[in-house]
Amino acid sequence: GAGVSQSPSNKVTEKGKDVELRCDPISGHTALYWYRQSLGQGLEFLIYFQGNSAPDKSGLPSDRFSAERTGGSVSTLTIQRTQQEDSAVYLCASSYLGPHGAVFYEQYFGPGTRLTVT
Amino acid sequence: SQQGEEDPQALSIQEGENATMNCSYKTSINNLQWYRQNSGRGLVHLILIRSNEREKHSGRLRVTLDTSKKSSSLLITASRAADTASYFCATDAPVGSYIPTFGRGTSLIVHP
Repeated sequence: GAGVSQSPSNKVTEKGKDVELRCDPISGHTALYWYRQSLGQGLEFLIYFQGNSAPDKSGLPSDRFSAERTGGSVSTLTIQRTQQEDSAVYLCASSYLGPHGAVFYEQYFGPGTRLTVT
Repeated sequence: SQQGEEDPQALSIQEGENATMNCSYKTSINNLQWYRQNSGRGLVHLILIRSNEREKHSGRLRVTLDTSKKSSSLLITASRAADTASYFCATDAPVGSYIPTFGRGTSLIVHP
């Protein structure tokens, strides 16, 4: 079946502008994650959605970052008033929450959105 | 904070040789996962090993887990040029956390 998709694949924006990044998870996956990866670095957790529960926003670096997930499926990450330090690859991943609360932690990643703030 | 840390940061080998990467972490885990990343894009899940397992195999991959030492290793046997990528380990906390923590990765280059 289709994997996780993200759009756009590349985004160049001017400092101070707002950007929206989109993620379409795998159908049936109830868990959705956003990460940020700077050049040559590991993944920085941003936000986690699980079903209808309140999202875990503990990784968002500032109040300029927000995310929503509509209908338990598509998610949008919004960065307001972008700064140069926001330049990175933004990765979305989804995973399946098994029956009886068993969690299968395998994450399926999208190809990422490369954000460049000039 | 808990984090998987890979070692070495970079590894360069010839095709056909074996590649070994290590991961250390700080606190108890439910499971540990290894991922591969090509060209700075999306990560691909390779293998998951649970805390009560000591070794798992998948094709040319062999993963070991030593919970007493809080470490794991990923062995790629008979490496190929196509194995050139960055490899990350990811760990999670044992109680109520569904958020893996990724290390900075090992960059593997396999020369043909």
